[in-house]
Amino acid sequence: QSALTQPASVSGSPGQSITISCTGTSSDVGRYNRVSWYQQHPGKAPKLILYDVSNRPSGVSNRFSGSKSGNTASLTISGLQLEDEGDFHCKSYTSSDTYVFGTGTKVTVL
Amino acid sequence: QVQLVQSGAEVKKPGASVTVSCKASGYTFTGHHMHWVRQAPGQGLEWMGMRRSSGGATRYPQKFQGRVTMTWDTSTSTVYMELSSLRSEDTAVYYCAREIEAAYYLDFWGQGTLVTVSP
Repeated sequence: QSALTQPASVSGSPGQSITISCTGTSSDVGRYNRVSWYQQHPGKAPKLILYDVSNRPSGVSNRFSGSKSGNTASLTISGLQLEDEGDFHCKSYTSSDTYVFGTGTKVTVL
Repeated sequence: QVQLVQSGAEVKKPGASVTVSCKASGYTFTGHHMHWVRQAPGQGLEWMGMRRSSGGATRYPQKFQGRVTMTWDTSTSTVYMELSSLRSEDTAVYYCAREIEAAYYLDFWGQGTLVTVSP
């Protein structure tokens, strides 16, 4: 099972919107709406920010939103803030009854 | 509150085995699956497998089959991950993470355990 493909880095200025893609196959992202996203700050454990493509857990900012089209899921961060800097990882359930993570994306706020 | 507290850092030689523990508290241990995820230095997250709460069935990706074993002790609400035949590429931070049964996402994570494999 190969890792889902994410851009290595994405950057934006404060207040802007950025989008991170997560591309898989018809056996994972394209088959199930079981895509979740995790934010990770340096030296910290990942934190869940979206599940089932577009649902936010309680307490997560509504500046984070998600969508999916075909084999690609996307995370959009609107109104970019300095605190959004960090790494973002997508994860999908697969047809093999396993899970696969994305390659990870580093977000930089300029 | 929900807590997953992992055991401390380990240094192992190539070929050895390592066991990392993860003690859960603040929630009903049964009814939740437990996953293990690792992150090599400067790399992304890698799913290592899971143990389901109902029946204790395990699922491992092909990459780790035969080398990883996930167990748990319900009397102490502790899960264990053993990785054998260690090699330098296994140097990573290992995380346990909780999944509410059949939720398909990981809502709480342990603090991570650094395992270093060095001659």
